[in-house]
Amino acid sequence: GNSVTQMEGPVTLSEEAFLTINCTYTATGYPSLFWYVQYPGEGLQLLLKATKADDKGSNKGFEATYRKETTSFHLEKGSVQVSDSAVYFCALSKGSQGNLIFGKGTKLSVKP
Amino acid sequence: EAGVAQSPRYKIIEKRQSVAFWCNPISGHATLYWYQQILGQGPKLLIQFQNNGVVDDSQLPKDRFSAERLKGVDSTLKIQPAKLEDSAVYLCASSLSDEGAYEQYFGPGTRLTVT
Repeated sequence: GNSVTQMEGPVTLSEEAFLTINCTYTATGYPSLFWYVQYPGEGLQLLLKATKADDKGSNKGFEATYRKETTSFHLEKGSVQVSDSAVYFCALSKGSQGNLIFGKGTKLSVKP
Repeated sequence: EAGVAQSPRYKIIEKRQSVAFWCNPISGHATLYWYQQILGQGPKLLIQFQNNGVVDDSQLPKDRFSAERLKGVDSTLKIQPAKLEDSAVYLCASSLSDEGAYEQYFGPGTRLTVT
């Protein structure tokens, strides 16, 4: 079946450090891939997405590239800020039905 | 543009009691989803509506959970009777279409505690 595996947290970084959160997926066909973020006390919101192989999604300094050969969609940011502290979820959806399949989430804490 | 509204935000009940959650999606969004998020896990789909028809309810525990979306707008999710393992955050989301690439917009969720 379809599934998403992302790196265990929590991840603690100092401000301006480089961030990578690994995400791999299992799916038949060509899913769309997403990163959602949940800031403290807020609801889930879309951070970025990619809908086909080699696409790069980007937003707010975050990037992720859809790698079909390695079935991966790793999230990266060159310089994190305290305000990036949140829980990050990798997810996939199939084209025929939009429901999302989520990973377990990775909690990121950024210290000043 | 108003976001997805959910109520109540918090609910505490005893096991074997019943509870209902309400969701109002973004205006014009045809697709509505209910997800269950247990602490420490990612959200899991319970049921998906396209307008007022059910598209996918394969993971809905139908012996105790029910959901409806009257007139293709608001939706309610009910649990009767509740079990301890139903303690979770219940998230409602909506999107313009059920095509996989469309963004889903999430409400703030209802945190249910079953004692």
